[in-house]
Amino acid sequence: GAVVSQHPSRVICKSGTSVKIECRSLDFQATTMFWYRQFPKQSLMLMATSNEGSKATYEQGVEKDKFLINHASLTLSTLTVTSAHPEDSSFYICSARAGSATRETQYFGPGTRLLVL
Amino acid sequence: DQQVKQNSPSLSVQEGRISILNCDYTNSMFDYFLWYKKYPAEGPTFLISISSIKDKNEDGRFTVFLNKSAKHLSLHIVPSQPGDSAVYFCAARRSGNTGKLIFGQGTTLQVKP
Repeated sequence: GAVVSQHPSRVICKSGTSVKIECRSLDFQATTMFWYRQFPKQSLMLMATSNEGSKATYEQGVEKDKFLINHASLTLSTLTVTSAHPEDSSFYICSARAGSATRETQYFGPGTRLLVL
Repeated sequence: DQQVKQNSPSLSVQEGRISILNCDYTNSMFDYFLWYKKYPAEGPTFLISISSIKDKNEDGRFTVFLNKSAKHLSLHIVPSQPGDSAVYFCAARRSGNTGKLIFGQGTTLQVKP
């Protein structure tokens, strides 16, 4: 299957700092990538849809000024958590859309564990 | 509004037996369904999918069944293996081109040796 990487895998930062997470599709081009977050023992919640060359589409309740998304190329999307606070601590996962319209699927990265102190 | 529901938070089966994971949905606009397997602190891994025009799709030990009238799908794993122990998420995609997936809450499967 297709491979998606995320970097870093784990980050600890101080409250008030910004953290950038990268998501790369390694062996295919992805015009669309998605960012999710997952709290312990809960489902994956879609945060935003990242579209190459255009603005991201945010889900209701997600602050676009706090979670900045940049999809600069067909293989890279970045999520920047600005002025992070302890409540932003979570597991962030990206996915990249691949396949045809009838056999499409999303391939997920390994996730990034963010801990804000 | 939980559009995709996995009502069983956990399931335990004996190695070699069948595991059946269930998923219900409410939105009749969903046209594509997927199952993912997830280990702790890792991203989900795609397992199998099914289009709404089909009622069954099989891939090795994994079979997904779709009952559109009941808005219900299930994942069958047979024979179950200890390595199958993980959290299983079903996901649904609405017709259209956005590609957004709506995930269920997940079911933790434990396969005992």
